[in-house]
Amino acid sequence: DAKTTQPPSMDCAEGRAANLPCNHSTISGNEYVYWYRQIHSQGPQYIIHGLKNNETNEMASLIITEDRKSSTLILPHATLRDTAVYYCIVRARPANYGQNFVFGPGTRLSVLP
Amino acid sequence: DTEVTQTPKHLVMGMTNKKSLKCEQHMGHRAMYWYKQKAKKPPELMFVYSYEKLSINESVPSRFSPECPNSSLLNLHLHALQPEDSALYLCASSWDREYEQYFGPGTRLTVT
Repeated sequence: DAKTTQPPSMDCAEGRAANLPCNHSTISGNEYVYWYRQIHSQGPQYIIHGLKNNETNEMASLIITEDRKSSTLILPHATLRDTAVYYCIVRARPANYGQNFVFGPGTRLSVLP
Repeated sequence: DTEVTQTPKHLVMGMTNKKSLKCEQHMGHRAMYWYKQKAKKPPELMFVYSYEKLSINESVPSRFSPECPNSSLLNLHLHALQPEDSALYLCASSWDREYEQYFGPGTRLTVT
């Protein structure tokens, strides 16, 4: 079962920051937060992951609250090509026996012109 | 080479056919995965291979048969499928089971 909750859909204006929230109130100490996205009819794409510190890469920033019960993925300047379903996943590392990436329903982000 | 490739892109097969899906990666990854994705649903894990050995089978029917001939290649053999097996089949790989997964573009399968 997915251990995260995300809003089913969000809109964002092109050029603005897209802030995608994720709740993971039952996260354990050794569980990381991963973000993937899936553009229509393509395979999911890895974006970023983190444990407790904020992380940034060329695609996005990940902000994790101090209590680690929620996080926000930030796309700083959204473009139309960022329209996709965004998945937030928590998973232990090292993986607990049999634990795998479990995709929940995700958030459908629509970037509007 | 930083991608996972899958062939074919599209496949239409009858319920009595036997076909295979192919996945390849040349990133030196030691874990490979098959997922199934129905329309408007998230991907669901089917199989996990780690160091060329099947480590997880998520109660998948025997009409789906995975094979890992070597560390770069993963096959999914299909036999006597049902129309409800029509879906996007995704392959992924990761450096190890601990690490983030990289997905291929998928094979869109239609069973008639």
